[in-house]
Amino acid sequence: DAMVIQNPRYQVTQFGKPVTLSCSQTLNHNVMYWYQQKSSQAPKLLFHYYDKDFNNEADTPDNFQSRRPNTSFCFLDIRSPGLGDAAMYLCATSRDASGGSTYNEQFFGPGTRLTVL
Amino acid sequence: DQQVKQNSPSLSVQEGRISILNCDYTNSMFDYFLWYKKYPAEGPTFLISISSIKDKNEDGRFTVFLNKSAKHLSLHIVPSQPGDSAVYFCAATYDYKLSFGAGTTVTVRA
Repeated sequence: DAMVIQNPRYQVTQFGKPVTLSCSQTLNHNVMYWYQQKSSQAPKLLFHYYDKDFNNEADTPDNFQSRRPNTSFCFLDIRSPGLGDAAMYLCATSRDASGGSTYNEQFFGPGTRLTVL
Repeated sequence: DQQVKQNSPSLSVQEGRISILNCDYTNSMFDYFLWYKKYPAEGPTFLISISSIKDKNEDGRFTVFLNKSAKHLSLHIVPSQPGDSAVYFCAATYDYKLSFGAGTTVTVRA
């Protein structure tokens, strides 16, 4: 089955220790997204890739970076995690929506829960 | 700035009855509205959508209503079933991006 896979499902890191979260997809979608979701809050878009073009949200902290080495994989790097970065991180993909409509169904992975000690 | 709001964090409903989930938005540029459903330990999955030019979309037990003048949409689930117990996110889209509400946890009681 085509899907969005996130590894690891649970990640524990220490304050200030860099951490990388991984996302892969078998859907061959052009667009990949990273969201941060804190407890009882709405998922918040951090950035997205349209093919190789990186699009950062204006309020995403510099501490968060992303890499997309190929269509299938996308990584979220947190350079110096703080206690406030503990959250669920969701990866999603969607097709190219350039066919005249901006409707885009996004397909989500199960998320990685990050704990910062 | 929260552009999509779900003001009810939880909803409890008896099996067989109607569940009504509400959502408000502020950005008039949104052109599609979606509902996602999320079970524990899984990612959100798409449930139903509606274009901003429509006022109703129905898919089986699920109906979404859109009131553009009030910037309000709702999801009706009839009849509610135990498998509907989940978190429901309202979302709105413009230019590839989804803006989500905080979610409503629905519990269907037997």
